[in-house]
Amino acid sequence: DAGVIQSPRHEVTEMGQEVTLRCKLISGHNSLFWYRQTMMRGLELLIYFNNNVPIDDSGMPEDRFSAKMPNASFSTLKIQPSEPRDSAVYFCASSPRRGASDTQYFGPGTRLTVL
Amino acid sequence: QKEVEQNSGPLSVPEGAIASLNCTYSDRVSQSFFWYRQYSGKSPELIMSIYSNGDKEDGRFTAQLNKASQYVSLLIRDSQPSDSATYLCAVNTPQGGSEKLVFGKGTKLTVNP
Repeated sequence: DAGVIQSPRHEVTEMGQEVTLRCKLISGHNSLFWYRQTMMRGLELLIYFNNNVPIDDSGMPEDRFSAKMPNASFSTLKIQPSEPRDSAVYFCASSPRRGASDTQYFGPGTRLTVL
Repeated sequence: QKEVEQNSGPLSVPEGAIASLNCTYSDRVSQSFFWYRQYSGKSPELIMSIYSNGDKEDGRFTAQLNKASQYVSLLIRDSQPSDSATYLCAVNTPQGGSEKLVFGKGTKLTVNP
């Protein structure tokens, strides 16, 4: 059974450009989480969806970040315009049930570099 | 801001020794606690979860929880070089009608052959 799939795995872009990260959940999972990981701040939750509905977006840094879940198995995280401080590894994770009390399965991550 | 604190290490132990990883958390209402392992350049993977006070054992791993002290630990017995990784403590924290996992910054463990 395929795990969480993320694309691209690496992205290098220039400041001001739009970046779109993609995530496909494990089949049958209901919750999706977007995280950002940096050395300074560790692993931070950006936004969490349950059954395609955003439940908690308090971690989204600012209006430049937006996330969508157009169907039950797919999500995008968009940064527009991108800035060098957005450079990080972005992980998507899925979980079988609502909430954060269940195991979260992480995708391989997207390493974003903004020059 | 709900916090999860870990000693960043690095923690270095010889092969075969017991590695002890510690974590404290600030929110008394937290109910679920997790240890994730993250190899360099890879994604986190769950190795242990614990929900009740006391010890929970799974093979060479033992998680310990003390809610009164707001403390959770992970013991790795008979440490192997393959256990060398960063260990992330995660705490399920209710916030504003929902709940979220708050991660510590991790402890880097090196097991020396």
